[in-house]
Amino acid sequence: NAGVTQTPKFRVLKTGQSMTLLCAQDMNHEYMYWYRQDPGMGLRLIHYSVGEGTTAKGEVPDGYNVSRLKKQNFLLGLESAAPSQTSVYFCASSYVRGNTQYFGPGTRLTVL
Amino acid sequence: SQQGEEDPQALSIQEGENATMNCSYKTSINNLQWYRQNSGRGLVHLILIRSNEREKHSGRLRVTLDTSKKSSSLLITASRAADTASYFCATDGSGGGADGLTFGKGTHLIIQP
Repeated sequence: NAGVTQTPKFRVLKTGQSMTLLCAQDMNHEYMYWYRQDPGMGLRLIHYSVGEGTTAKGEVPDGYNVSRLKKQNFLLGLESAAPSQTSVYFCASSYVRGNTQYFGPGTRLTVL
Repeated sequence: SQQGEEDPQALSIQEGENATMNCSYKTSINNLQWYRQNSGRGLVHLILIRSNEREKHSGRLRVTLDTSKKSSSLLITASRAADTASYFCATDGSGGGADGLTFGKGTHLIIQP
């Protein structure tokens, strides 16, 4: 099993550009999450999904959109990137709410 | 907002010594988890302790939970160079709200050979 994978691993954007981060898991987990990690801030929840076709806002959702069209995939979109969105983005999944989360390797995004 | 706060922010010890990290949180929880993050990598789950448990062991790891003080500690015994990493506590709140975990800012542990 690959676990949780994320693409791309690195990306540099210019202000105003758009992009989509892809997260895929092969563990048949219902729950999927997107977090961002900034220096000295720990991880903060952006959006999450409790099953195929569902999405919900986390702590810092502004400027991001998500979609969960297939159970194994969770996409994070930035429609108009801003320098404040420079961060490392982690996707995670879990079988049930509040249980162990399995993390992907992260995507390092820089917005110039 | 951050739920957990780890203490200390950074810790440097000699290989073979024990390392203790603490976590404090603010609201009632269902469980508390500890994760490890090696530099530039994703987080790896270490241990989960439920709100009705007081202590849990896994290999060289020992976790305690005091819900009356809203605090937890992670003890790593007989530390090794490979234990060098950042350690995060994460809480699953029982008060509803978003279904993700709430993470602290982490303790950066350095094991000196």
